Amino acid sequence: GNSVTQMEGPVTLSEEAFLTINCTYTATGYPSLFWYVQYPGEGLQLLLKATKADDKGSNKGFEATYRKETTSFHLEKGSVQVSDSAVYFCALPYSSASKIIFGSGTRLSIRP
Amino acid sequence: DGGITQSPKYLFRKEGQNVTLSCEQNLNHDAMYWYRQDPGQGLRLIYYSQIVNDFQKGDIAEGYSVSREKKESFPLTVTSAQKNPTAFYLCASSIVGVRGAKNIQYFGAGTRLSVL
Repeated sequence: GNSVTQMEGPVTLSEEAFLTINCTYTATGYPSLFWYVQYPGEGLQLLLKATKADDKGSNKGFEATYRKETTSFHLEKGSVQVSDSAVYFCALPYSSASKIIFGSGTRLSIRP
Repeated sequence: DGGITQSPKYLFRKEGQNVTLSCEQNLNHDAMYWYRQDPGQGLRLIYYSQIVNDFQKGDIAEGYSVSREKKESFPLTVTSAQKNPTAFYLCASSIVGVRGAKNIQYFGAGTRLSVL
């Protein structure tokens, strides 16, 4: 079945630093891939997605490219802000139904 | 505004008591989900429903029950059989059947359950 593995946290960076959060997956076929973000005390919200190989999802300065060769979907941002402090989840669909598998989450803290 | 509303925001359970968490959506989504999140951990699926009057167990259904009598409502009951209920509970919904879009889930703000 499908599975996802993401980089363990916590990750602490200074403001304006470059961010990478690694995510790799195992899947049957080429499912859509997602990054969700959870701000403190809130539910998750979709940050970005990619629906096929070589697609790049982007939103709020974050980017992730669907790499089928390396089965990866790493999240990047060129210059992080304090407001980016949150937990980030990589996700992909189960093999069937509309269920989603979430990674374990990576907590990001940005120092001013 | 369309969205998902979870209530209450905080809930306390006494030993041996059943408690019910509310989840309502006005997005006209067919599918709804309940997740449990423990500190520093990811989400684990408790139950999900893809259509009214039908639901399936997720990965950790023991000690929980649900109903889906209306499209917009999917309440979760934490029963006394759930011995470690302290967690953050998240409800979500999604479209069913549209490739790609069906896997985008929309989440409520969560209910934090604690045991007295």
